[in-house]
Amino acid sequence: DAKTTQPNSMESNEEEPVHLPCNHSTISGTDYIHWYRQLPSQGPEYVIHGLTSNVNNRMASLAIAEDRKSSTLILHRATLRDAAVYYCILRDTQTGANNLFFGTGTRLTVIP
Amino acid sequence: KAGVTQTPRYLIKTRGQQVTLSCSPISGHRSVSWYQQTPGQGLQFLFEYFSETQRNKGNFPGRFSGRQFSNSRSEMNVSTLELGDSALYLCASSLAEGRPTNTIYFGEGSWLTVV
Repeated sequence: DAKTTQPNSMESNEEEPVHLPCNHSTISGTDYIHWYRQLPSQGPEYVIHGLTSNVNNRMASLAIAEDRKSSTLILHRATLRDAAVYYCILRDTQTGANNLFFGTGTRLTVIP
Repeated sequence: KAGVTQTPRYLIKTRGQQVTLSCSPISGHRSVSWYQQTPGQGLQFLFEYFSETQRNKGNFPGRFSGRQFSNSRSEMNVSTLELGDSALYLCASSLAEGRPTNTIYFGEGSWLTVV
């Protein structure tokens, strides 16, 4: 599985924007970039995904570098509920599998 | 629409025993995957089932097994429990098999403690 690298932890003040980086220098042309997050005592939940273009949804935005070797998850206004571990995951079109490879993720702390 | 449901939520077992965990996927979802989460190893993929067939398997010993029924419900079994099997076991479901744009939905997990 192609690997991703994320900072172990980040902090943000409440109601400020948060940029969570992810490096994936070995990404292949057919890998989609997915982000999931895991709130305390819950299973992971889907946040957003993209292939080449930047993506927006009600939860977040995903900015993908032109060479696709890195991406950034953007939370526009962090709330206390956004405190979670955020995982950047590459999903391969080739294997036809639904298994996700979770790295260590970034633990986001939101400061009131 | 109901989410992924896992039972039981919490259980305590003794070393050497076996345990069966159950998962009901979201209605209409045919792919079910299982993951183990521990503080030391993080989230690790166990296996995936689609249409009652195991499609993929992670790097776990044969003591870990699973199955899927015709209604897509799934069970996983761990035999001869070891202390290191203490973990949160997560079930996830998805609409179809292996499309990278599929959203995968997770349950809240079953907390297993082995004493």
